[in-house]
Amino acid sequence: NAGVTQTPKFRILKIGQSMTLQCTQDMNHNYMYWYRQDPGMGLKLIYYSVGAGITDKGEVPNGYNVSRSTTEDFPLRLELAAPSQTSVYFCASNPGGRTEAFFGQGTRLTVV
Amino acid sequence: KNEVEQSPQNLTAQEGEFITINCSYSVGISALHWLQQHPGGGIVSLFMLSSGKKKHGRLIATINIQEKHSSLHITASHPRDSAVYICAVERVPSGSRLTFGEGTQLTVNP
Repeated sequence: NAGVTQTPKFRILKIGQSMTLQCTQDMNHNYMYWYRQDPGMGLKLIYYSVGAGITDKGEVPNGYNVSRSTTEDFPLRLELAAPSQTSVYFCASNPGGRTEAFFGQGTRLTVV
Repeated sequence: KNEVEQSPQNLTAQEGEFITINCSYSVGISALHWLQQHPGGGIVSLFMLSSGKKKHGRLIATINIQEKHSSLHITASHPRDSAVYICAVERVPSGSRLTFGEGTQLTVNP
């Protein structure tokens, strides 16, 4: 099993550009999440999904969109990149509540 | 005030020392997670607790639900234990979404 795979690992965007962060998992987990990690702060939830076709906002959803067309994939879309979106992004998955969480390796995004 | 507080923020130890990292939370929870983030950035799960104590190798995690407190202990610390240790909780009734502490940076010197 590859676990949770995120691409790309690094990206530099110019203000106003768009991009999609890819996340795929091969563990057949229903629950998937996108978090962002800013220096000196705890990870914050952007969006989450409890199954294919179901997504919901987390604590910091502004400027982002997601979709969940399959159990495996949960891409995160940035439409108009802003410097405030400079961060490290983590995708995670688990089978449900009170179970171990599995994280991708992270995507370091810089918006200039 | 953060809902999940960790202490200390930074910890430096000598190889072989016994290490304790603390986590306090102010909300109702269904489970508490301890995670490890290595300098390369990846995050791995160490423990998921809803009561009592768990042990894996040199790592021990405990939780006291009444006091809303958890501890992560590392026995016979080693330089390879150097990492950021993160406490996260599954809040009731938020389901499996995690609320994170800010992390504890541990450095173990040889």
